[in-house]
Amino acid sequence: DGGITQSPKYLFRKEGQNVTLSCEQNLNHDAMYWYRQDPGQGLRLIYYSQIVNDFQKGDIAEGYSVSREKKESFPLTVTSAQKNPTAFYLCASTLQGTYNQPQHFGDGTRLSIL
Amino acid sequence: GQQVMQIPQYQHVQEGEDFTTYCNSSTTLSNIQWYKQRPGGHPVFLIQLVKSGEVKKQKRLTFQFGEAKKNSSLHITATQTTDVGTYFCAGGNTPLVFGKGTRLSVIA
Repeated sequence: DGGITQSPKYLFRKEGQNVTLSCEQNLNHDAMYWYRQDPGQGLRLIYYSQIVNDFQKGDIAEGYSVSREKKESFPLTVTSAQKNPTAFYLCASTLQGTYNQPQHFGDGTRLSIL
Repeated sequence: GQQVMQIPQYQHVQEGEDFTTYCNSSTTLSNIQWYKQRPGGHPVFLIQLVKSGEVKKQKRLTFQFGEAKKNSSLHITATQTTDVGTYFCAGGNTPLVFGKGTRLSVIA
């Protein structure tokens, strides 16, 4: 079955530590997205990539970094500069990076601070 | 940046009652998408509306896109416990802008 795989499901970060969240898709989709979800805040866009080796900042990119070296993979690093990283992180993809494409989501990663 | 406002934030209904959530944008939207997120799950795409005044139905769910393409609604007739979750609208621009969602609770 095609889909999006996010790992790990749960992640704990110590202060001053960088952590990387994995997102892999086998849907052959061009575009991939990272969202942060906090209670009552909906989905806020962190970064998105419409094509390999290119990505753009979303609304809340500060304290995060991404890479898109392969079409299938779009890892997100939560750096120590992100002072409030506790949240539910969702990765999504679309067939193309245009506005009329349904988004397919992974199961998410819950990040907490130790 | 563009914002998509969604109301109400929460809705509690008795099973069998109807439910409606509303989505509004300050600017014209090229399209609107609706998603459902079950508790503990991830958002799942429900439908996309593109045309002004468009109405689409999926069983007990009715989706509308306003004439000015600035608002949309999702109406559920005779809610069931399986309808529990958070419903999000998302405005069709690149990138997509999500509303904050309406959390629906259904009391059996």
